[in-house]
Amino acid sequence: GAGVSQTPSNKVTEKGKYVELRCDPISGHTALYWYRQSLGQGPEFLIYFQGTGAADDSGLPNDRFFAVRPEGSVSTLKIQRTERGDSAVYLCASSLTGTGSDTQYFGPGTRLTVL
Amino acid sequence: AQSVTQPDIHITVSEGASLELRCNYSYGATPYLFWYVQSPGQGLQLLLKYFSGDTLVQGIKGFEAEFKRSQSSFNLRKPSVHWSDAAEYFCAVGRTASKLTFGTGTRLQVTL
Repeated sequence: GAGVSQTPSNKVTEKGKYVELRCDPISGHTALYWYRQSLGQGPEFLIYFQGTGAADDSGLPNDRFFAVRPEGSVSTLKIQRTERGDSAVYLCASSLTGTGSDTQYFGPGTRLTVL
Repeated sequence: AQSVTQPDIHITVSEGASLELRCNYSYGATPYLFWYVQSPGQGLQLLLKYFSGDTLVQGIKGFEAEFKRSQSSFNLRKPSVHWSDAAEYFCAVGRTASKLTFGTGTRLQVTL
C-alpha cells in the first residue's frame, strides 16, 4: 500500500515569508509525527498528533511554528516569518496507534530552503 | 532527558567484511530502541527495534542488534556487508513509540 507522502518535496522561500508543508499519513494510522533534520544531524522531534489533537508539541522551537490535523488524517506544518535557520528537511511519520510497540513510518521529507 | 550517542560519524568497510555500528543511550527507564537507515533521497526505513525480551534482535536486510543494559548500548551488526548497504544509519530511543530521540547518525561507506 501507499506509504507516507509529503508535499512539496522541495520548497524555496525568502526570509520572512510564510510556508505550509503537507503530510499524508498511511491510511488508518491514528498517530502522526513531525521531525526536523538539519544538515549533518539526526531527526529532531517537533510535534506528535493522536487523532486530531496534538498530544505532545514540546519540540516546536517557538511560536512561529504551528501544526494542524483537522480531520485526523492529513497534517499541515505551518511556519510564519521564516528565518534562514529554519532551513532543513522536515520529516513526517505515522504509526498505527502511537502506543506500545508501534513503528513509525517516515515519508521522504520536504527540503525547505530559506534564502 | 533521553539522549543517544553515535560516536562514529563515518565508517568505511570493504564489501564482504563484518560491520558494527555503535550506539549508546541515556534513558531513565527501560527504553525502546530503534535502528533506522536513510539512503540518499529516501525516507528513514526501520531496520529493527527492541522493546523487551530477547536482547538480540533480528532485523531486515541481515542486520541484528544487541541490547546491553549494563553498557547502555544497542550496537548494530551485520556479518557481511553489501555495497547496497552504503547509507546513513540512525539509532533512536523512545518510550511508547511516540517521541523518538535520534543520534547524529553514522555514514557507512562500502568499498568494492
